[in-house]
Amino acid sequence: QKEVEQDPGPLSVPEGAIVSLNCTYSNSAFQYFMWYRQYSRKGPELLMYTYSSGNKEDGRFTAQVDKSSKYISLFIRDSQPSDSATYLCAMSRWNDYKLSFGAGTTVTVRA
Amino acid sequence: EAGVTQFPSHSVIEKGQTVTLRCDPISGHDNLYWYRRVMGKEIKFLLHFVKESKQDESGMPNNRFLAERTGGTYSTLKVQPAELEDSGVYFCASSPGQGAYEQYFGPGTRLTVT
Repeated sequence: QKEVEQDPGPLSVPEGAIVSLNCTYSNSAFQYFMWYRQYSRKGPELLMYTYSSGNKEDGRFTAQVDKSSKYISLFIRDSQPSDSATYLCAMSRWNDYKLSFGAGTTVTVRA
Repeated sequence: EAGVTQFPSHSVIEKGQTVTLRCDPISGHDNLYWYRRVMGKEIKFLLHFVKESKQDESGMPNNRFLAERTGGTYSTLKVQPAELEDSGVYFCASSPGQGAYEQYFGPGTRLTVT
């Protein structure tokens, strides 16, 4: 079983729609939960991170963590064509630098 | 501020040859990491440097891989001899501290072994 499971998609939505992405994980020791955006031929870029459970909002982006279900989500409101990218979830244990990544979900926002 | 840079962006070599990948971290970042993504798989951790010292090599697949970080600045990752399964994208990241959320990634080097 993989430590982090992420639906690879692809996901195609019209401009202005809400994009919903999620990951599940098996390691209950994970405490930090990150979402990265990766454009083609570029490296992963951190969008936001959450420590432990709860929600975090940053502009059009909302991250949610449910540790009891080992489930994390990223919502993108009012999606734009510029949001078209691969979105990767990543996690780490407390005080650990090693990231465990999901496979990434490819999102296309149609104008 | 310049980001993490990696060279080359793409390398195509034959099985059995040697390839050296280079990473220049963000200036002032003591922590440097190597990750790789092989086809169809997740990005996986390879190793971690603090300045010039290897802190963690637990992700290195085998002894054909050798990483160095001379003087605590840039780092190189050498694959010798390369095998077909080494094909993938090799990412370098750097961070000022050791928080998992502090890592800045480079654009990656795409390695193709034929």
